Amino acid sequence: EVQLVESGGGSVQPGRSLRLSCAASGFTFGDYAMNWVRQAPGKGLEWVGFIRSKPYGGTTEYAASVKGRFTISRDDSKGIAYLQMNSLKTEDTAVYYCSKPTSTIAVSGGMDVWGQGTTVTVSS
Amino acid sequence: SYVLTQPPSVSVAPGQTARITCGGNNIGSKRVHWYQQKPGQAPLLVVYDDSDRPSGIPERFSGSNSGNMATLSISRVEAGDEADYYCQVWDSGSDHWVFGGGAKLTVL
Repeated sequence: EVQLVESGGGSVQPGRSLRLSCAASGFTFGDYAMNWVRQAPGKGLEWVGFIRSKPYGGTTEYAASVKGRFTISRDDSKGIAYLQMNSLKTEDTAVYYCSKPTSTIAVSGGMDVWGQGTTVTVSS
Repeated sequence: SYVLTQPPSVSVAPGQTARITCGGNNIGSKRVHWYQQKPGQAPLLVVYDDSDRPSGIPERFSGSNSGNMATLSISRVEAGDEADYYCQVWDSGSDHWVFGGGAKLTVL
């Protein structure tokens, strides 16, 4: 079964850091880019960023709202993607999902597998 | 940055066809993907590449895309289709994924 499981969420004060993990199983992790998408309470989906697969350079892209504060990385040997979140703000409070592209071409076909999400609360 | 516009809400009676729109500048030149999200659940891909369905998605779900508007159509609507629906495209100009604001489908 293809599965993504996020972990690492929690409550943190503004300005602090948190690292989320996304553990993949059931597919060849290294062949796919990995996305992070968040959803603030009562709000819509917001793409956070993604990391391309190594064959496509392993490079990253970020939404303007998190660029310079968040970093996405991957460990293909473990099948895990990470989201390092620094300088957290109250507006970063959200459920964070990782998701897998439908295609090994990262920007094609949408995202066909999603984790259950992990909640991050930033509050003083 | 590229913007996708969806109506906040769409209402339809059971058995009828629901049409949820997604507007964007020349969106017909992009491939549109649609997600269904029920309360407390992760999004579910229901249509990708404008009109293709992932395995397991009923044929009642279909999509179209032309000009400045993409549409998700749900025929023979059931109570279980009540959910938020989001459109999504890849904006090659910014190398960003973009989501629409979401439309809440209410089954009357």
